[in-house]
Amino acid sequence: DAKTTQPTSMDCAEGRAANLPCNHSTISGNEYVYWYRQIHSQGPQYIIHGLKNNETNEMASLIITEDRKSSTLILPHATLRDTAVYYCIVRSREGGQAGTALIFGKGTTLSVSS
Amino acid sequence: NAGVTQTPKFRILKIGQSMTLQCAQDMNHNYMYWYRQDPGMGLKLIYYSVGAGITDKGEVPNGYNVSRSTTEDFPLRLELAAPSQTSVYFCASSNPGTPGEKLFFGSGTQLSVL
Repeated sequence: DAKTTQPTSMDCAEGRAANLPCNHSTISGNEYVYWYRQIHSQGPQYIIHGLKNNETNEMASLIITEDRKSSTLILPHATLRDTAVYYCIVRSREGGQAGTALIFGKGTTLSVSS
Repeated sequence: NAGVTQTPKFRILKIGQSMTLQCAQDMNHNYMYWYRQDPGMGLKLIYYSVGAGITDKGEVPNGYNVSRSTTEDFPLRLELAAPSQTSVYFCASSNPGTPGEKLFFGSGTQLSVL
């Protein structure tokens, strides 16, 4: 699976949009981009995923560039409860050796302040 | 709706002791995973299973064993505990073929080996 690069940390003011970037320049055609977050020592929580098109759900939006080499997770109105570590993961939907498992990096620590 | 249940939540072991971390899910998920998370780091995959009777190694399997006799349970065994195994352990499950194949995580087991 392709590797991802994320900034170590970011700050955001409460009520503003939080835009979290992720580079995945070696992504291949059958690999999806997944975002998870981990709030202070809890188990990670699924946010959103996508292949080519931009995606939106009740939690966030995912913008994937046309060449698929990078993406941005957008939290439209960040709240204090969005303070967490955000993981960008690229993974093939195919099975196989460890292909079914998500490989987590260090992620981006987002701090939302009032 | 319990989801993924891990026991115990906390445990202190002496070097050389053994123990089993329990994980159970009630969502009828075929896939189950064990991750460990060291302080300030991302999650590392220890073992995973794609169904009852089938297990495979992840990134950091040394010092651990798993079994999967039922769909619901996926225990992780530490035979000879070492200080390097001090970590937070997360169990997760997912259902292949569902949108996003979201991983659902347990609340974690904090293990200290002294």
